Amino acid sequence: DAKTTQPPSMDCAEGRAANLPCNHSTISGNEYVYWYRQIHSQGPQYIIHGLKNNETNEMASLIITEDRKSSTLILPHATLRDTAVYYCIVRPTTSGTYKYIFGTGTRLKVLA
Amino acid sequence: GAVVSQHPSWVICKSGTSVKIECRSLDFQATTMFWYRQFPKQSLMLMATSNEGSKATYEQGVEKDKFLINHASLTLSTLTVTSAHPEDSSFYICSARTTYGSLQETQYFGPGTRLLVL
Repeated sequence: DAKTTQPPSMDCAEGRAANLPCNHSTISGNEYVYWYRQIHSQGPQYIIHGLKNNETNEMASLIITEDRKSSTLILPHATLRDTAVYYCIVRPTTSGTYKYIFGTGTRLKVLA
Repeated sequence: GAVVSQHPSWVICKSGTSVKIECRSLDFQATTMFWYRQFPKQSLMLMATSNEGSKATYEQGVEKDKFLINHASLTLSTLTVTSAHPEDSSFYICSARTTYGSLQETQYFGPGTRLLVL
């Protein structure tokens, strides 16, 4: 599985956009990029995923660079409830390999 | 949709006893479920992949005789920690993989089970 690297921590002011980067320079053409977040003492929550194109849903936007070697998760208007550890994961699209390998993630703190 | 539950949410047991944790997909069928373990201030570590109707696949370094996994139906997987010891104290999290729709192959996670072995 492709290895991902993320900054260990970030701060963001409440109401501002939070931009969380992820490097996946060894990603291959058949691997999706997934983002999850884990609020303290809970299970990870699915946020968004993509393959090549940028994606947006009610929670966030995902920007994937053209060479697919990095991506950015954007929370457009961060709130205190967005304080969590955010994980970027790559997963093959081919059947038979569904497991996720979690990195250390980015601890986002949203400040009032 | 795509809700996964775990039971119990927390458990305290004496050293040497066995503990069973249930993972259920409430509104979808999951042919594949996963079990993770998370120690304080660390990331999730995959323990095993549980496939309905077949034996689980364990990650390197995980003792299959200590962590028994059963996936008897498309909505239920269980993890039994046998002869638990204090070093088994951890946060155990399961996930279930969807197999249909626009979110096909996405894993949805349960809320976790905190195990404390005295």
